[in-house]
Amino acid sequence: EAGVTQFPSHSVIEKGQTVTLRCDPISGHDNLYWYRRVMGKEIKFLLHFVKESKQDESGMPNNRFLAERTGGTYSTLKVQPAELEDSGVYFCASSHLTSGRYTGELFFGEGSRLTVL
Amino acid sequence: DQQVKQNSPSLSVQEGRISILNCDYTNSMFDYFLWYKKYPAEGPTFLISISSIKDKNEDGRFTVFLNKSAKHLSLHIVPSQPGDSAVYFCAASARRGETSGSRLTFGEGTQLTVNP
Repeated sequence: EAGVTQFPSHSVIEKGQTVTLRCDPISGHDNLYWYRRVMGKEIKFLLHFVKESKQDESGMPNNRFLAERTGGTYSTLKVQPAELEDSGVYFCASSHLTSGRYTGELFFGEGSRLTVL
Repeated sequence: DQQVKQNSPSLSVQEGRISILNCDYTNSMFDYFLWYKKYPAEGPTFLISISSIKDKNEDGRFTVFLNKSAKHLSLHIVPSQPGDSAVYFCAASARRGETSGSRLTFGEGTQLTVNP
């Protein structure tokens, strides 16, 4: 079974440019999350999709960030226009919808490193 | 406001000895706790978890202890092996009875180095 895949692995852009990150979750996982780790700090929640619906987007920093999950499969996270403070590693994670016992476990991708110059 | 804190950025132990990684939290709504391990250039991978109704969960060399009154949990690795060298993240969630999944709140991580 393929794991969570993210593309690109590393992106270097100039301030003011646009970048789109893509995440393909594990097949059949309805939960999809975006997280970000900046400068060795904690991994911070950005948002949570259940299928194609945004369940919780309270972690999105501002309206320069736009996440979509059309059709409830892969997801994209667009940053437009990018600022210096957006640099970091963006992780995508997925999990099954659970019925009964809650496990809490999320499966993470390898991350997309974004460098804004 | 950081709700999950790992106050030790790094820990170094000798192979075969015990590694103890600590984590504190402030949100009393958290009722599920997890530890993740992360190698360089890889995503975090799930290691072990514990529900707030328990005070201990063991899986092989890994044991997690939860002290709810102190809002503190710890991960014990015995015996430590060089392959355990990685960044360990503590995470917590407030399930609120949900089964659809809920966000995890992470600490800053502790870099564990196990020396041969």
